[in-house]
Amino acid sequence: EAQVTQNPRYLITVTGKKLTVTCSQNMNHEYMSWYRQDPGLGLRQIYYSMNVEVTDKGDVPEGYKVSRKEKRNFPLILESPSPNQTSLYFCASSLGPRGALTEAFFGQGTRLTVV
Amino acid sequence: AQSVSQHNHHVILSEAASLELGCNYSYGGTVNLFWYVQYPGQHLQLLLKYFSGDPLVKGIKGFEAEFIKSKFSFNLRKPSVQWSDTAEYFCAVNYHGNSGTASKLTFGTGTRLQVTL
Repeated sequence: EAQVTQNPRYLITVTGKKLTVTCSQNMNHEYMSWYRQDPGLGLRQIYYSMNVEVTDKGDVPEGYKVSRKEKRNFPLILESPSPNQTSLYFCASSLGPRGALTEAFFGQGTRLTVV
Repeated sequence: AQSVSQHNHHVILSEAASLELGCNYSYGGTVNLFWYVQYPGQHLQLLLKYFSGDPLVKGIKGFEAEFIKSKFSFNLRKPSVQWSDTAEYFCAVNYHGNSGTASKLTFGTGTRLQVTL
């Protein structure tokens, strides 16, 4: 079954404690991205990756890092989480041929609370 | 900056009423257009998409949307809503990058639809 898998689904952490949210897709997609969803703001892109070892900032990259060492995995790293990073996070992947994006497939989401 | 506007933030309808949710995007050349639905507690799922061709596209669960290029709009419609359509709906636009590289998906802020029995 084609899917995007995020872990964990729920996470409560303290300010400053480094954390990683994993994302894995089994569709051999080139394009992967991370979004955060906040009430009244919709989804905003944090980082994206067009292929292995190719990543770039989205709209709200501050406080986040990503890596793309393998095609299937795209972890989101918060080196020093702060309360304003409390949000619902979604990983997405798409086939992403050069020049256009096709349909994006989303993971189940990770609800992060930073206290 | 590229943007997507959804003017209806919260819509309440009775079952069997007709639905139209507005979506407008800023000019940016060639675009792909999407509507996603998020049921309570779940991830986003694709309702329908427009890449080219017939501007009236049909999606799952009886939804359809019309691309009107002159108005930069991609409104979502359903003739008769059901209680199970209660969800949040997001319009999204992919602006093709001029350099030929894949460009990002820009989302609207979402419309919360509540269908009452």
